[in-house]
Amino acid sequence: ILNVEQSPQSLHVQEGDSTNFTCSFPSSNFYALHWYRWETAKSPEALFVMTLNGDEKKKGRISATLNTKEGYSYLYIKGSQPEDSATYLCALTPPTGTASKLTFGTGTRLQVTL
Amino acid sequence: NAGVTQTPKFRVLKTGQSMTLLCAQDMNHEYMYWYRQDPGMGLRLIHYSVGEGTTAKGEVPDGYNVSRLKKQNFLLGLESAAPSQTSVYFCASTQTVKGTQYFGPGTRLLVL
Repeated sequence: ILNVEQSPQSLHVQEGDSTNFTCSFPSSNFYALHWYRWETAKSPEALFVMTLNGDEKKKGRISATLNTKEGYSYLYIKGSQPEDSATYLCALTPPTGTASKLTFGTGTRLQVTL
Repeated sequence: NAGVTQTPKFRVLKTGQSMTLLCAQDMNHEYMYWYRQDPGMGLRLIHYSVGEGTTAKGEVPDGYNVSRLKKQNFLLGLESAAPSQTSVYFCASTQTVKGTQYFGPGTRLLVL
């Protein structure tokens, strides 16, 4: 079973703060890295899929980077807003015979207050 | 475009009862998945399907069965519900091996 770890477990920031989270995974067992945003009482919504070492993706104020050699990905949120409050999930697709099975981390829960 | 839908949204069962959860997708996706979400555990894969007529076990398959008779539908069955199966169940689908998975709204199941 793959071990996908996310830190911190939870984070509480003020509106306007910039923040970042970490996803760690086994560097030897990698095919694709996904980030999802999961609001309470809704379903997870995809943010990014990254496959190449050094990949950087951006969507508005949210961006992500990938380091497959050392086995980590960072998610950054610039100028956090209350609507960014959600759980951010990282998930890994391992390389072979996987049928796109995802192994999820337990998430980082972000709360942004005014 | 409905995307991924799940039926029912909420259900209460007594121990030993059976039920079927239905997942339907209208995106013509090949791959479909059933996950359960429990506090502190994240999303865990129960069963998955790589195409019509195929199913395979995921990380936590015990106590569940699945069927994919039609490409657009993926059914999750509980033959004899147990309190340990109290959870929120999510269905997802994707078209490509490394592609984004699209999730349904979830089914909340309580087994008494």
